[in-house]
Amino acid sequence: EIVMTQSPATLSVSPGERATLSCRASQSVGSNLAWYQQKPGQAPRLLIYGASTRATGIPARFSGSGSGTEFTLTISSLQSEDFAVYYCQRYTDWLWTFGQGTKVEIK
Amino acid sequence: EVQLVQSGAEVKKPGESLKISCKGSGYTFTNYWIGWVRQMPGQGLEWMGIIYPGDSDTRYSPSFQGQVTISADKSISTAYLQWSSLKASDTAIYYCARHGGGFHYWGQGTLVTVSS
Repeated sequence: EIVMTQSPATLSVSPGERATLSCRASQSVGSNLAWYQQKPGQAPRLLIYGASTRATGIPARFSGSGSGTEFTLTISSLQSEDFAVYYCQRYTDWLWTFGQGTKVEIK
Repeated sequence: EVQLVQSGAEVKKPGESLKISCKGSGYTFTNYWIGWVRQMPGQGLEWMGIIYPGDSDTRYSPSFQGQVTISADKSISTAYLQWSSLKASDTAIYYCARHGGGFHYWGQGTLVTVSS
């Protein structure tokens, strides 16, 4: 079973600063990796798919990179609306497993 | 406009059965996989399973295999998630989502509360 591990669990960042979130797969998932943002009381929103492709309407300050087992979501300059929980998800081999999430909070 | 509209909140007792729904519109329902995701109170996202309405091909997470049943009625563009015997631990928000390289579209969620 491929396990998705996100780090850190919580990231404290000041508005305007850069945030870097990591996601590691226990086995290669190629580029079959997505990132989601979830705010309290809302459904998740797709940010990135195919490891690096921004979904429709997602601002350019969000970028994804990586392949195989190591992936990164970067938010170049945090805005107030970006404080939320972020999840990675693999979609390979008929399994769509999520990571446990990283909470980005205001420092 | 692509939309997934889920059925309303449910309050059930342990041992009862339940079937919740997710109706797709704004696209060809039979052409995209629809997945179900659980979110227990204060917890993360868990993928439960996924169905291709075109031929009802269904895949389950090992964690949910045998615990729930996923189905679809393509004549009314609706996917379903059902339980035959609910437990208190099934209390959660359940989301449906359309897959196309990641889950691009999500339903609003259905809150299921199981309590005696």
